[in-house]
Amino acid sequence: GAGVSQSPRYKVTKRGQDVALRCDPISGHVSLYWYRQALGQGPEFLTYFNYEAQQDKSGLPNDRFSAERPEGSISTLTIQRTEQRDSAMYRCASSLGSAEQTQETQYFGPGTRLLVL
Amino acid sequence: AQSVSQHNHHVILSEAASLELGCNYSYGGTVNLFWYVQYPGQHLQLLLKYFSGDPLVKGIKGFEAEFIKSKFSFNLRKPSVQWSDTAEYFCAVTNSGGYQKVTFGIGTKLQVIP
Repeated sequence: GAGVSQSPRYKVTKRGQDVALRCDPISGHVSLYWYRQALGQGPEFLTYFNYEAQQDKSGLPNDRFSAERPEGSISTLTIQRTEQRDSAMYRCASSLGSAEQTQETQYFGPGTRLLVL
Repeated sequence: AQSVSQHNHHVILSEAASLELGCNYSYGGTVNLFWYVQYPGQHLQLLLKYFSGDPLVKGIKGFEAEFIKSKFSFNLRKPSVQWSDTAEYFCAVTNSGGYQKVTFGIGTKLQVIP
């Protein structure tokens, strides 16, 4: 497709379960970013990749959160032992150039809305 | 650390009214500035961006924004809004050096009444 895609679009899970959120960036885009957006807030940075290398994971809230991009394309954000406070919209974005280049624009996917009961 | 403040969290306007949404950022260095929009049921889309050059930036759908460095501001404007402009608007900033870690504002929900 032409844009960033994410799946699933909606995920309802019970507290304690693991979830995996998928992001498929625009073809050829070097960098991929994950954000979390709580209700009534703006998106907050979680982590990003250049190709398959995770360059910064300082935004991940704790060690239950992890992300990978093994082949430099599709990325998975995994949340283990989910808690109710993990409920949010999880957004993925990609950019054509590497994240260290100036004047790059990030293109966002539709997001995955996660609800932890 | 950089931060973004959007002063109006919820704005209601009648069609044809003029719009100005405030955005201020805090960062001492050179910045890149963005406005993103999210229409109901859709994903975040880039409305306009400022990297360098003319501080008055024109975007899609008749929107424009002016970068005023001395005021650390990047306000969004539109002379005459339409019902279809009903959406949530996010101001965002990255520092020009280093990687593109985007910091977003809290967002402004705009409701345009026909």
